[in-house]
Amino acid sequence: GNSVTQMEGPVTLSEEAFLTINCTYTATGYPSLFWYVQYPGEGLQLLLKATKADDKGSNKGFEATYRKETTSFHLEKGSVQVSDSAVYFCALSEEGTALIFGKGTTLSVSS
Amino acid sequence: DTEVTQTPKHLVMGMTNKKSLKCEQHMGHRAMYWYKQKAKKPPELMFVYSYEKLSINESVPSRFSPECPNSSLLNLHLHALQPEDSALYLCASSQVGQSNQPQHFGDGTRLSIL
Repeated sequence: GNSVTQMEGPVTLSEEAFLTINCTYTATGYPSLFWYVQYPGEGLQLLLKATKADDKGSNKGFEATYRKETTSFHLEKGSVQVSDSAVYFCALSEEGTALIFGKGTTLSVSS
Repeated sequence: DTEVTQTPKHLVMGMTNKKSLKCEQHMGHRAMYWYKQKAKKPPELMFVYSYEKLSINESVPSRFSPECPNSSLLNLHLHALQPEDSALYLCASSQVGQSNQPQHFGDGTRLSIL
């Protein structure tokens, strides 16, 4: 079956550091891939998405590229801010199946 | 501001109470979802409605009863809950049958069972 594996963290960084959160997936077909972010006390917000191989999703300085050859969708940001502290979920969606989440990665950024 | 509105934001109830959670969206989405989320965990799917009909029930106990009265509203009726049901309950909506379109989530109802 389909699955998503992401590094669980917590990831602790200083402000302006480079961020990478790894995400790999297993799917039977051609899924769409998403990164969601959850700030404390809130619901999930879509951060970015990619719907086919080699697509790059980007938003608020975050980027992720859909790599079919490595079945990966790693999240990156060149310079994190304290306000980026949150839980990040990688997820996949395929026709006829429910949205599948990774376990989530907690990011803590200090000034 | 989220486009999916959930009320109430917080709810404390005893094990014998009956209460309801409400969810509303005006994005024209015809798929709506209920999720349960425990602390530090990803959301777990509970129910899916497609065109106001229940299409998925992930073996949820009958003390949770969903209802979709129209295309904009989704309710979750609660009765005789257990302490382990304390969690954040999230509602989401999306286009039907378009897996390349994201689900949009509300901010959730934080439920505590005494």
